[in-house]
Amino acid sequence: DVKVTQSSRYLVKRTGEKVFLECVQDMDHENMFWYRQDPGLGLRLIYFSYDVKMKEKGDIPEGYSVSREKKERFSLILESASTNQTSMYLCASSLGQVKDTQYFGPGTRLTVL
Amino acid sequence: SQQGEEDPQALSIQEGENATMNCSYKTSINNLQWYRQNSGRGLVHLILIRSNEREKHSGRLRVTLDTSKKSSSLLITASRAADTASYFCATAQTNAGKSTFGDGTTLTVKP
Repeated sequence: DVKVTQSSRYLVKRTGEKVFLECVQDMDHENMFWYRQDPGLGLRLIYFSYDVKMKEKGDIPEGYSVSREKKERFSLILESASTNQTSMYLCASSLGQVKDTQYFGPGTRLTVL
Repeated sequence: SQQGEEDPQALSIQEGENATMNCSYKTSINNLQWYRQNSGRGLVHLILIRSNEREKHSGRLRVTLDTSKKSSSLLITASRAADTASYFCATAQTNAGKSTFGDGTTLTVKP
């Protein structure tokens, strides 16, 4: 079975802090994704990566950056956390094409105070 | 606006009844996928239907796709309390690499 793990289930940070969210997948998938999920807004794509060191902006990249130095790991970085970045963050991966089936991690609920 | 939109937003039924959720989209697609999310957890893939397919089954799940109406439906037969979750459709647009998720339908199955 594909396993996607996220570094934390719950995280509390202060405004202005630099925040790292880590995601690791163990199935040699080409593509990895970061979403945020907010009530009434569904899942919104922040960034995705289709190869090591490659990244593309999703629908809401502002305030975020990403890093993919190794195939199995995709990091989401909040350079200076703000309260409006309080959300559930979901990581996913897919094999082959970006539009193929995605396998999700359990999510990180981030609260920025 | 979202490419895929689920309807209804919320659905409450008794155990044993069937549940039907719909997804409408705006532009042509390569495939459409349905996912389930239990409260506070990640999404789990249920089924993928390609644009040249009209119907797929998986256990108690039946998915239909009508590309002329740009809509899909997910039917869960003989529902169980464990089916209580949010259900999302994701559409892979023909002219875009990625899939886009809708806002989801929240299904409650009462025992």
